[in-house]
Amino acid sequence: SSELTQDPAVSVALGHTVTITCQGDALKSSLPSWYQQKPGQAPTLVIYAKNSRPSGIPDRFSGSISGNAASLTITGAQAEDEADYYCNSRDSSGNLVVFGGGTTLTVL
Amino acid sequence: QVQLVQSGAEVKKPGASVKVSCKASGYTLNSYAMHWVRQAPGQRLEWMGWINAGRGYTKYSQKFQDRVTITRDTSASTVYMELTSLRSEDTAVYYCVRPFASSWEYLQHWGQGTLVIVSS
Repeated sequence: SSELTQDPAVSVALGHTVTITCQGDALKSSLPSWYQQKPGQAPTLVIYAKNSRPSGIPDRFSGSISGNAASLTITGAQAEDEADYYCNSRDSSGNLVVFGGGTTLTVL
Repeated sequence: QVQLVQSGAEVKKPGASVKVSCKASGYTLNSYAMHWVRQAPGQRLEWMGWINAGRGYTKYSQKFQDRVTITRDTSASTVYMELTSLRSEDTAVYYCVRPFASSWEYLQHWGQGTLVIVSS
């Protein structure tokens, strides 16, 4: 299967650490990337190639992968991190792209 | 800097086609891939397909394989996405996206989005 599965919603207390997960067979052969999307805005790439951050992305964002599961960790979550987060990767064929269903992060 | 400017919102009737444009600036179009991603209201991101803008070959999601065509005009630095046989479920914001420099799948530069409404 080329599907990526994410938990629909996660919450975290301000300043605490939260992990968002993404599972799928495609992750066994492809490094994931993660996107943050705030209401009314286009997504922003926050992690690529498992654990690299584009310029301008705070270092409280980090990624990891183990087997067929990838994780996005926010260490010391801030109010501005409240958003939807999507993982993606190549599919099992390596020629197409697939997105996870998204996780809504609430910062309490 | 990299900029992707998409065409304006469209309202279409069921069964019609829509063609959305994405004009690139700040880099050479044919040096990078370009993807199209859509998002229905309140729904997840959905990958539609991509084009190797240099060589012109395309790959499409199986879901859209029969209805979508992505093309490019390198002289105009513009990529196009045409979706045919529109239905109400195609109402969505459509984004063109250029990947991160050294990859084809890490989607770094997003257009502003084009809202397509399909309604009778």
